[in-house]
Amino acid sequence: DAGVIQSPRHEVTEMGQEVTLRCKPISGHNSLFWYRQTMMRGLELLIYFNNNVPIDDSGMPEDRFSAKMPNASFSTLKIQPSEPRDSAVYFCASSPKTSYTYEQYFGPGTRLTVT
Amino acid sequence: AQKVTQAQTEISVVEKEDVTLDCVYETRDTTYYLFWYKQPPSGELVFLIRRNSFDEQNEISGRYSWNFQKSTSSFNFTITASQVVDSAVYFCALSVGNRDDKIIFGKGTRLHILP
Repeated sequence: DAGVIQSPRHEVTEMGQEVTLRCKPISGHNSLFWYRQTMMRGLELLIYFNNNVPIDDSGMPEDRFSAKMPNASFSTLKIQPSEPRDSAVYFCASSPKTSYTYEQYFGPGTRLTVT
Repeated sequence: AQKVTQAQTEISVVEKEDVTLDCVYETRDTTYYLFWYKQPPSGELVFLIRRNSFDEQNEISGRYSWNFQKSTSSFNFTITASQVVDSAVYFCALSVGNRDDKIIFGKGTRLHILP
């Protein structure tokens, strides 16, 4: 079975540009998570969807960040406008249950560099 | 508030040695879940184990074992007869099973297995 798929794997963009990261969760999973990982701050949860509905977006750093899940098999994380401090690895994860209390399966990540 | 502490930032051991990674957690909830994830150099986080707060039985899976002790709020991970392929960053995580549940990751322990 295919795992969580993320695209692109690497993204380099200039400050001010819009960036869209994409995620396809594991089929049949009910929850989807977006994380950001940096050396300074570690792994941070940005937003969490249950059955395509955003449940907790308290980790989204500011209004420049937005996430959508139009259907059970696709989600996007958008940054507009991007800034150098957004440079990080962004992970998408999915879980078979609608809770934080179950294991999550992570994608390979998107390494974002904003210059 | 919940907290996960992985005091060991980085550990190096010679191949075939045993190594224990420490994880100390804090929560006031009586129902909670603990996890370990592995992040190899390829970058993708891999789920290793999930344990609920009512099950203090130690777990063994091949060369991996986990020691859960509620009395010391610890959930330590031991690799027996370490191998080079075990080199990775290991994360401990905590999730509580209530309305405000979140998942909190520790900062991770970078493990180097030297040949």
